[in-house]
Amino acid sequence: NAGVTQTPKFQVLKTGQSMTLQCAQDMNHNSMYWYRQDPGMGLRLIYYSASEGTTDKGEVPNGYNVSRLNKREFSLRLESAAPSQTSVYFCASALREVTEAFFGQGTRLTVV
Amino acid sequence: AQSVTQLGSHVSVSEGALVLLRCNYSSSVPPYLFWYVQYPNQGLQLLLKYTSAATLVKGINGFEAEFKKSETSFHLTKPSAHMSDAAEYFCAVSPQETSGSRLTFGEGTQLTVNP
Repeated sequence: NAGVTQTPKFQVLKTGQSMTLQCAQDMNHNSMYWYRQDPGMGLRLIYYSASEGTTDKGEVPNGYNVSRLNKREFSLRLESAAPSQTSVYFCASALREVTEAFFGQGTRLTVV
Repeated sequence: AQSVTQLGSHVSVSEGALVLLRCNYSSSVPPYLFWYVQYPNQGLQLLLKYTSAATLVKGINGFEAEFKKSETSFHLTKPSAHMSDAAEYFCAVSPQETSGSRLTFGEGTQLTVNP
């Protein structure tokens, strides 16, 4: 049982480049989330999808877009990467909105 | 609105000593509360959760937490620290209502266990 799988695990981008972070879960969960983790700031919610077909902004959505491709997959896109987007990105899923979230292993993104 | 405050960004204990990690929450509605652990270069793993049943919640690896409504606290404890407990710990809160609910995390507490 893979749980939540994120790809890639590491990425280096130049300022202005674009990329998509992929996330897939095999637990038949309804809700999916993208967080970023920065030192001393905990995890901050970028976007979430309460159920298939819906997406909503979280605490720090600027510079990002998301797509809930189907129930399993939730991707995060950086259209024009900036050094401020250097972070560790976590995808998570939950059976529904108020239940505990299960996390992927993270993607370490560096924007130079 | 909801928020979580974790008191102490770094806590250091000796092996075998009591572990106490503090978490206070603010929520306008009855909350669900969670503790997660993150080992180096890994994702977050659920330790335990409070969902309005018993106020004393037992989790994995010998950890437990007590929900105290009067103090708006959900502190994490373990009677005897082990070297393998060294990690970062996050407290999180979610309102019990379903619409638009999502986890809000504290800033984390790095636990160091000294031999």
